[in-house]
Amino acid sequence: QSALTQPASVSGSPGQSITISCTGSSSDVGSYNFVSWYQQHPGKAPKLMIYEVNKRPSGVSNRFSGSKSGNTASLTISGLQAEDEADYYCYSCAGSDTEVFGGGTKVTV
Amino acid sequence: EVQLVESGGGLVQPGGSLRLSCAASGFSFSTFWMTWVRQAPGKGLEWVANIKQDGTEIYFVDSVKGRFTISRDNAKNSLYLQMNSLRAEDTAVYYCARHSWYAFDYWGQGTLVTVSS
Repeated sequence: QSALTQPASVSGSPGQSITISCTGSSSDVGSYNFVSWYQQHPGKAPKLMIYEVNKRPSGVSNRFSGSKSGNTASLTISGLQAEDEADYYCYSCAGSDTEVFGGGTKVTV
Repeated sequence: EVQLVESGGGLVQPGGSLRLSCAASGFSFSTFWMTWVRQAPGKGLEWVANIKQDGTEIYFVDSVKGRFTISRDNAKNSLYLQMNSLRAEDTAVYYCARHSWYAFDYWGQGTLVTVSS
């Protein structure tokens, strides 16, 4: 199972919006609405930010939103803040017996 | 409060074995799938293995099949990863995570496994 494709880096100024793409295939992103996104600060464990394409866990800012079109999922961060600077990973179910992450995107504010 | 605490990492020679543990608390451990995810130094996340609530379904990434086993003890609220025939490319921080409807909603702090002679 190949990793999902994400841009290596995305940058934006405070207050701006950015979007991170996550491209898979008809075997993963395109077939399941089980796409989630994780934020990871250096030296820390990942944190769930979005699940089931566009749902936010309790406590996650509504500046984070998710969407999906075909084989590509996206994470949008609006009103960019300094604390959003981190690595972001997408994930998708790829069948009953396998799961796959994206390669990660470094967000610079 | 949900807590996942990994232990058992360390330095091991190529070909050696190591057993990781993950102690869970703050939730009904026996009602959730559990997962191991690893992250090589400076690299991205890689899903390693899943185990169903009762241990009857287990899945692995291809690169560890036949070398790693995953198990759980619901009476002890604990998850395990037995790693045999370790290779340099298995060097990583290993995280245990709670698997909730194809999302990992809680993670441990991770334990570092270094495979080197």
